[in-house]
Amino acid sequence: EPEVTQTPSHQVTQMGQEVILRCVPISNHLYFYWYRQILGQKVEFLVSFYNNEISEKSEIFDDQFSVERPDGSNFTLKIRSTKLEDSAMYFCASNGVGSYEQYFGPGTRLTVT
Amino acid sequence: RKEVEQDPGPFNVPEGATVAFNCTYSNSASQSFFWYRQDCRKEPKLLMSVYSSGNEDGRFTAQLNRASQYISLLIRDSKLSDSATYLCVVMYSSASKIIFGSGTRLSIRP
Repeated sequence: EPEVTQTPSHQVTQMGQEVILRCVPISNHLYFYWYRQILGQKVEFLVSFYNNEISEKSEIFDDQFSVERPDGSNFTLKIRSTKLEDSAMYFCASNGVGSYEQYFGPGTRLTVT
Repeated sequence: RKEVEQDPGPFNVPEGATVAFNCTYSNSASQSFFWYRQDCRKEPKLLMSVYSSGNEDGRFTAQLNRASQYISLLIRDSKLSDSATYLCVVMYSSASKIIFGSGTRLSIRP
């Protein structure tokens, strides 16, 4: 069964450093998303991406964040200068055309020290 | 008012019991509705989409009431493996933001 994959599973970084979180969505999907979940809190939408551009973003997704689909398979989330409060689980998701059902990757746990 | 509101629980019920969760949403423009389950420190997994006509998948039944803006999930004959957090999810349109409720914790005891 096709699945969304994410790397790394855990990333530890120092405050102020840049991080890139990687996702490989399901191969025939065209809509891509990033979410975050701070420990003990709810899942929060960050950004949606379709046709090589951002469709929608939340107020969390400020200038420190960017997304890219550098090739036909990867979908990345970059945080330019990490803050302590960026520590969270980051989930990538995708869905296909004609379906709103999103499938999530296993997440990357980001720890900012 | 929160965009998507759920009773946080926890619901602690014996194996074999029937349990029901409700969820309310505030934006009448919402178009698509889902139930996800999330196990501790894991990703949300799609349980089922929710349609106005209601839909059933084995022991799980989901209902949508657009007029009252609520969604429900019924689990019959609960199993130990049903223990998880159940997330109510609302979507406005394709490729748009998805709003998660805070989740309802369910614990099934033997």
